[in-house]
Amino acid sequence: DARVTQTPRHKVTEMGQEVTMRCQPILGHNTVFWYRQTMMQGLELLAYFRNRAPLDDSGMPKDRFSAEMPDATLATLKIQPSEPRDSAVYFCASGLGSVDEQYFGPGTRLTVT
Amino acid sequence: GENVEQHPSTLSVQEGDSAVIKCTYSDSASNYFPWYKQELGKRPQLIIDIRSNVGEKKDQRIAVTLNKTAKHFSLHITETQPEDSAVYFCAALSYNQGGKLIFGQGTELSVKP
Repeated sequence: DARVTQTPRHKVTEMGQEVTMRCQPILGHNTVFWYRQTMMQGLELLAYFRNRAPLDDSGMPKDRFSAEMPDATLATLKIQPSEPRDSAVYFCASGLGSVDEQYFGPGTRLTVT
Repeated sequence: GENVEQHPSTLSVQEGDSAVIKCTYSDSASNYFPWYKQELGKRPQLIIDIRSNVGEKKDQRIAVTLNKTAKHFSLHITETQPEDSAVYFCAALSYNQGGKLIFGQGTELSVKP
């Protein structure tokens, strides 16, 4: 049963620190999405990639967030510097071909104090 | 851009009853409508989806209906069980927003034994 994996599962950090979250998409999937989930905003798309190329990062605060896919098996989301308002669960999802079916990873619960 | 509204935000039913969650969307070009179930602390999981070329799809106790003219779609769960308790999210694929899934705000379903 292939699944998207994410590390770390939980991260507590102090304001101003750099945070890096990693995602391994399902093998063979070529589309990767980063979402942020909060009680207030629900599920927000931050960025997505197809064949490792960024297609849309309009949902991401550009001054502090960056997303990359160093290779087909790894996607990263970095926050530098982190702020308390970044506290949320960050989900990675992957899909094959079109953006239709997306499969979510377990998420990274980030707490910034 | 696409906007997806989901109702109700909370729903409580007795075990064995049916549950219906409704979503409306604004982008007439949207043609893919998935539903996700998210249990507490877990990842969203795709439970059923429908494409715009069909009006209804069923999978055991769950079904989804789509009315393209009225731009709304609904999730129907019959013979509800306590394990159906979760937050359910609808989504619509918006090509006008670069092929993104736009999510509703979620419905917290509680099935009382």
